[in-house]
Amino acid sequence: QVQLVQSGAEVRKPGASVKVSCKASGYTLTTYSIHWVRQAPGQGLEWMGWVKHGNSDTKYSQRFQGRVTFTSDTPASTVCMELSSLTSEDTAVYYCAREGGMINFDYWGQGTLVTVSS
Amino acid sequence: QSALTQPASVSGSPGQSISISCTGTSGDVGKYDRVSWYQQHPGKAPKLIIYEVTERPSGVSNRFSGSKSGNTASLTISGLQAEDEADYYCCSYAGSSKVVFGGGTKLTVL
Repeated sequence: QVQLVQSGAEVRKPGASVKVSCKASGYTLTTYSIHWVRQAPGQGLEWMGWVKHGNSDTKYSQRFQGRVTFTSDTPASTVCMELSSLTSEDTAVYYCAREGGMINFDYWGQGTLVTVSS
Repeated sequence: QSALTQPASVSGSPGQSISISCTGTSGDVGKYDRVSWYQQHPGKAPKLIIYEVTERPSGVSNRFSGSKSGNTASLTISGLQAEDEADYYCCSYAGSSKVVFGGGTKLTVL
């Protein structure tokens, strides 16, 4: 069955970077795009960007442009999200989600809590 | 890209029907039939319940339905049940490989 398993919770100091991984199983990673979505405590979902299937092209939300990088390791069926220059406002649960087609996210990772605190 | 507009909260009694609106612009909801809805229970990952405006994934109750008129999409839940109490989010393609979510609606089953 399809699963997305993310790496564990992280704590970082302001100004640092964090890298979250998302390992796919039950399907071939390159056949579906992977999106990243975050949710600050008590807040709504916020789209961060995506890694397109096939060519691993990336698209980032303007809000994170220059601060976020998505990478793919196809043999390891893993996609990673790295966010730099962290501030307390980046404290959130970060999700990876598979796009089943036409911008619908049919499978989600369990979420990774990133806490930014001095 | 501004978030889609949803009511902060809605409520209904068991057995009733409720609707949640999701208002965007002619550049997202109004332009593309790529609107999806997600249900999120506390501490859980979101779950897809409607995609491409009206389609329901396998396994999702037919009590959930979606529609769209102009720049506004809607999610209707009929025959409310206690387990429907959750947060609901709409999502739309916004062109140029961009995606936007709504601010979320908290559904309370009275």
